[in-house]
Amino acid sequence: DAMVIQNPRYQVTQFGKPVTLSCSQTLNHNVMYWYQQKSSQAPKLLFHYYDKDFNNEADTPDNFQSRRPNTSFCFLDIRSPGLGDAAMYLCATSRGTGPGQPQHFGDGTRLSIL
Amino acid sequence: AQSVTQPDIHITVSEGASLELRCNYSYGATPYLFWYVQSPGQGLQLLLKYFSGDTLVQGIKGFEAEFKRSQSSFNLRKPSVHWSDAAEYFCAVGAADSSYKLIFGSGTRLLVRP
Repeated sequence: DAMVIQNPRYQVTQFGKPVTLSCSQTLNHNVMYWYQQKSSQAPKLLFHYYDKDFNNEADTPDNFQSRRPNTSFCFLDIRSPGLGDAAMYLCATSRGTGPGQPQHFGDGTRLSIL
Repeated sequence: AQSVTQPDIHITVSEGASLELRCNYSYGATPYLFWYVQSPGQGLQLLLKYFSGDTLVQGIKGFEAEFKRSQSSFNLRKPSVHWSDAAEYFCAVGAADSSYKLIFGSGTRLLVRP
């Protein structure tokens, strides 16, 4: 089945140690998103790619960066994780942009900071 | 500004009982509305969407939602709840001012009594 796959499902890193989360998709969608979701909260959009065009949300900390080397893959890099960055990170895709485009989510990576 | 309100943080129903989850939105024009479900430790799955046309929308897993413009509501319903429906439910609206963003409600956690 076509889908959005996130690896790993669980990631533990040390305070200040860089970490990379990955997302791949077989839907061939133009747009890929990264969300941060803290416990009992709605997902919060960090940034998205439309093809190779990167779009950062205004309130996304500089500590968070992203790469999209090709249509299928997108990475979230956290340069110096702090305790407040412990969360579920969700990747999503959509066929295009537009308010009517549904987003398709992966199962997420739960990040813990020691 | 656009917003989505889910007034119920938690709802508990007995298995086999009917369910209604409330969602109210603030939007100037005809909204693009979505309901997503998130099972524990997983990503969000699209249940249904409304763009225009018939105000009663059928979704997956036996869910339906009714768009009521006069009440600015898009409530989710299911006639008979199963234990596997226990999850977090998010209502969302497609943003008008940026074509890619979903505005999520804060979610409603559904608990199912055996």
